[in-house]
Amino acid sequence: DTGVSQDPRHKITKRGQNVTFRCDPISEHNRLYWYRQTLGQGPEFLTYFQNEAQLEKSRLLSDRFSAERPKGSFSTLEIQRTEQGDSAMYLCASSVGNQPQHFGDGTRLSIL
Amino acid sequence: AQKVTQAQTEISVVEKEDVTLDCVYETRDTTYYLFWYKQPPSGELVFLIRRNSFDEQNEISGRYSWNFQKSTSSFNFTITASQVVDSAVYFCALSEARDTNAGKSTFGDGTTLTVKP
Repeated sequence: DTGVSQDPRHKITKRGQNVTFRCDPISEHNRLYWYRQTLGQGPEFLTYFQNEAQLEKSRLLSDRFSAERPKGSFSTLEIQRTEQGDSAMYLCASSVGNQPQHFGDGTRLSIL
Repeated sequence: AQKVTQAQTEISVVEKEDVTLDCVYETRDTTYYLFWYKQPPSGELVFLIRRNSFDEQNEISGRYSWNFQKSTSSFNFTITASQVVDSAVYFCALSEARDTNAGKSTFGDGTTLTVKP
């Protein structure tokens, strides 16, 4: 069990650029979640996958955000035309069914 | 809609003191899970406990104990004989228990605990 892995750990980019984050869940975990956490707040749910199917998206996930999990293993979260308000920690978690979620270390996004 | 409130933003104690972190939740669901997570300075959320809404038994794990009271919609967390290593942000979270919901969690805003030597 190598844990949930997220890449990169930090991303600094200019406003308007596109960014993509990757999450590798614990192997054999069929569910994968993306959350966003800003300073002083708890994680906010963005979207989740069961295997390769994206089953729910939060209203927080504007049309500039897209997530994929093409083979039911790793997932990517892309943000297009980044804005200042996108600066946050993006957390990935995985689980087996409805069991407790295991979180990765997150990707910290800073928009200049 | 679900909501989790952690009214204590920051708590500071001296080592060996006991400390209780409060959590109050709102949900319309009759079946749900409650969680506590620890987020140390390194940033990774560490799962501590999950309780099913049908199980109101208090639980003790070493220096940690949890008091779940459905009547007051509270799920409080007590650390006994606190240690410096307990310093972290602690999050309470709530999720529906229906399998079709997939267990997405609603988190509180966290309580920052500082334990001074």
